[in-house]
Formats: sequence, C-alpha cells, structure tokens
Amino acid sequence: GENVEQHPSTLSVQEGDSAVIKCTYSDSASNYFPWYKQELGKRPQLIIDIRSNVGEKKDQRIAVTLNKTAKHFSLHITETQPEDSAVYFCAADGGYQKVTFGTGTKLQVIP
Amino acid sequence: NAGVTQTPKFQVLKTGQSMTLQCAQDMNHEYMSWYRQDPGMGLRLIHYSVGAGITDQGEVPNGYNVSRSTTEDFPLRLLSAAPSQTSVYFCASSPGQDPDYGYTFGSGTRLTVV
Repeated sequence: GENVEQHPSTLSVQEGDSAVIKCTYSDSASNYFPWYKQELGKRPQLIIDIRSNVGEKKDQRIAVTLNKTAKHFSLHITETQPEDSAVYFCAADGGYQKVTFGTGTKLQVIP
Repeated sequence: NAGVTQTPKFQVLKTGQSMTLQCAQDMNHEYMSWYRQDPGMGLRLIHYSVGAGITDQGEVPNGYNVSRSTTEDFPLRLLSAAPSQTSVYFCASSPGQDPDYGYTFGSGTRLTVV
C-alpha cells in the first residue's frame, strides 16, 4: 500500500519568514495530493490541493509543488503569521478512498 | 448546509462497553470514511463507504463495525471497548469517485476508554 512520509514533525519560524513542509509518497498510482490544516482542538480543513498533471499551484501566501518523478510534494507558506500556527497534514490519494495521510507537522509562528 | 455532523463530542466508556458514534452529512456525498487520530500517527482509516449499502475496511478496522443504510448516515460501532481505542475519531465525506476532491471532516469525537 501507499506510504507517506512527512518532514519535519515540528517547525518554528519567526513571523514573516517562510515555512516549508515536505512529503514523499511511494505509490505512483496516487494522483491527487491535498493538504489539511488542523488548529488545536478542531477538525482538519482542506487548504490547498494539487493534481498529478500540475507541477505547482498557488493560493495567496500558500503554494504547493509536486515532483512526480521523485514522488515528493511540498507546502510553502510565505510571510507567515501567528494564525498560521497549526498542525499541517499532507495526503496522497489514489482515488476510490485510497487516501493515506502523513503524520503531521506542527508549525509554530513566533510573533 | 450543516456539512458533516458528529455526535457525541466527548465520551468516556468502561472497558468492554459498546457504543455507536454517529455521523451524518447533508451534502449528498457518496464517499464517507472514519478515521482515528492518535498523537504522532496522523489520521488512520478505520472503515469507509463508497455509497449506500457498500462498506469496506481500512487500515485499522479491528474492533469496529460500520453500516451505510442511507447516503446521509455512516455510524461507527465499537463492539467491546478497549483502552487502545482511546483516540479522537473523525468522520469525513467527499463527493465521489474522482480523486480530485478533498475531504470535509466532522468536528470529531474524543473517546476515552478506562
């Protein structure tokens, strides 16, 4: 089955700096890669996603890149703000409920 | 739209007790899933359903049962609770077969088994 590895497990950045979270996957059949943000005590929420036929996608301060050949994808947050502090999960989705999540990255933005 | 509704939000069970976690969605989503979230382990799939009357096992199905008699509801049953089932449980739904949709999650149920 699919295996998704996510790094780092914790990340501290100063407000205004950039944050990068990286994930690798093992199953070449995975073709959809969503990212979720989970604030403390709340549900995970989809923040951005990318399909396998796209290399990069941006939404304001958030961007995701995908390298299918290397089987890795990354989340980039620029100009970080305190409200970006949360746990971020990557996932690899092969369709038909074949979704595997990474173990999460706890991001702390220091004011 | 209420989205995905889970009840209860908190539950304490004694070892050996049974209970049902409720999940309902009002978005006419075909796919529904149950995940458990444990520290350092991300979200692990327990059971899932691709439509009414169809269910299948995920990564960690032991000790849990599900059924899907309607599109809207997908309850998770704990047959005989064990301390290892202490966790936060999330129900999630998505529109359909194409893997181009993310999940909508419920607010979670925090279960403690003593």
